[in-house]
Amino acid sequence: SQELEQSPQSLIVQEGKNLTINCTSSKTLYGLYWYKQKYGEGLIFLMMLQKGGEEKSHEKITAKLDEKKQQSSLHITASQPSHAGIYLCGADSYGQAGTALIFGKGTTLSVSS
Amino acid sequence: SAVISQKPSRDICQRGTSLTIQCQVDSQVTMMFWYRQQPGQSLTLIATANQGSEATYESGFVIDKFPISRPNLTFSTLTVSNMSPEDSSIYLCSVEPLAKNIQYFGAGTRLSVL
Repeated sequence: SQELEQSPQSLIVQEGKNLTINCTSSKTLYGLYWYKQKYGEGLIFLMMLQKGGEEKSHEKITAKLDEKKQQSSLHITASQPSHAGIYLCGADSYGQAGTALIFGKGTTLSVSS
Repeated sequence: SAVISQKPSRDICQRGTSLTIQCQVDSQVTMMFWYRQQPGQSLTLIATANQGSEATYESGFVIDKFPISRPNLTFSTLTVSNMSPEDSSIYLCSVEPLAKNIQYFGAGTRLSVL
C-alpha cells in the first residue's frame, strides 16, 4: 500500500521567514493534494498537482511535484501568523476520479511574531 | 467548490451510547467519504458511501460499529455505535464533485467519549 511521509513533523518559524515542507511517496503519485487544517477543524484545499515537474502558486504558497512524481514540496514565502496550522499532503493512489485519498501525518507550523 | 455542512460540530458522549453525524452538500455528488482523525494522527478512511448502494468499508472498520446511510446525492450520515473512549476523534466527511478531481471536506465533528 502507498505511504506518504511528511517532513518536518513540526516547524516553528519567525514571521517573515520562508519555509519548506516535504512530502515523499512510496509509490508514483497520480495526484498530490495539499490541505491546511486549523486545530480541530476541517481541511481547506490548497493545491493539486498531477504532472511531473508541475508547479503551482497561490498568494505566498508554492507547491511543486518532482519529475518522478514521488516527491512534493510546499514552500511558504514571508510567513505570516495566518499561515499557522497543520499542513497535510494527500495522494490519489489509483489515478481514478472518485477514489479516497491517503494522507501523510501532517506538518504542524507555528509562526511567531 | 462544494459547500459541506457537517453536524454536530462537537459532542461529548457517554460510553455505550451512539452518535449520528450528518453531512449535507450544496450540490449533487456521487462519492462521499468518511474519515477519522485520531488525536495527533492523520486521516484514516472509514468508508466510501455511494448513493443507492451499501457503503464500502476499509479494513478495520465494520458496518455494525459505523453504519452509514446515503439516501440521496446530497446527504449522508455516519453513526458511531456503542462508543468507547477509543472512539474519541475528529470525524470528517468529504465529497468529490462531478468533473472535479478535488475532494472537499466538511469542518469535522469533534467527538469526546467519557
